[in-house]
Amino acid sequence: DAGVTQSPTHLIKTRGQQVTLRCSPISGHKSVSWYQQVLGQGPQFIFQYYEKEERGRGNFPDRFSARQFPNYSSELNVNALLLGDSALYLCASSLTDSNSPLHFGNGTRLTVT
Amino acid sequence: QKEVEQNSGPLSVPEGAIASLNCTYSDRGSQSFFWYRQYSGKSPELIMFIYSNGDKEDGRFTAQLNKASQYVSLLIRDSQPSDSATYLCAVNGDNYGQNFVFGPGTRLSVLP
Repeated sequence: DAGVTQSPTHLIKTRGQQVTLRCSPISGHKSVSWYQQVLGQGPQFIFQYYEKEERGRGNFPDRFSARQFPNYSSELNVNALLLGDSALYLCASSLTDSNSPLHFGNGTRLTVT
Repeated sequence: QKEVEQNSGPLSVPEGAIASLNCTYSDRGSQSFFWYRQYSGKSPELIMFIYSNGDKEDGRFTAQLNKASQYVSLLIRDSQPSDSATYLCAVNGDNYGQNFVFGPGTRLSVLP
């Protein structure tokens, strides 16, 4: 079975631009979560979607938004990019909406210049 | 504020030794505990998860949980150079959704 797939792998944007990251969960997983990982730190929770509904939002500004589609894939959008948004963005899927292991994709490395 | 603490390391052990990685968490409501391995430049990979007090073994890995002390650990037996990576501890709980709180990770170096 295919794991979590994310695209693109790498992205370079300039300040003020907008970016969309994409994620397809493991087949059968209905929960998708997004995490941001800055170098040297653990991943930080951004959003969780389950059955196309937002189930949680981390401490990120409104410039960050996400959605989940009927096929359970998901997009993360970041507007008005700042240099501090440079990070590895991780998508994870899980079987249930709580307390089940997260399975991460390979991530999208975003660089903002 | 839920916090997860880990010693950042690096923790260096000789090949074949036991590596012991520790993690403490602040929220007594935490219910589930996870260990992830992350190689440099790669994404986190699930190693083990534990929900109940005590030990859980899977091959060379043993996770230990003590909820009273708010402490979870990972033991790696017969450490190999390929185990050299950063190990992330993550904590979740009922009503948290999938809002895992991760520690900063411990960098493990297994010396041949």
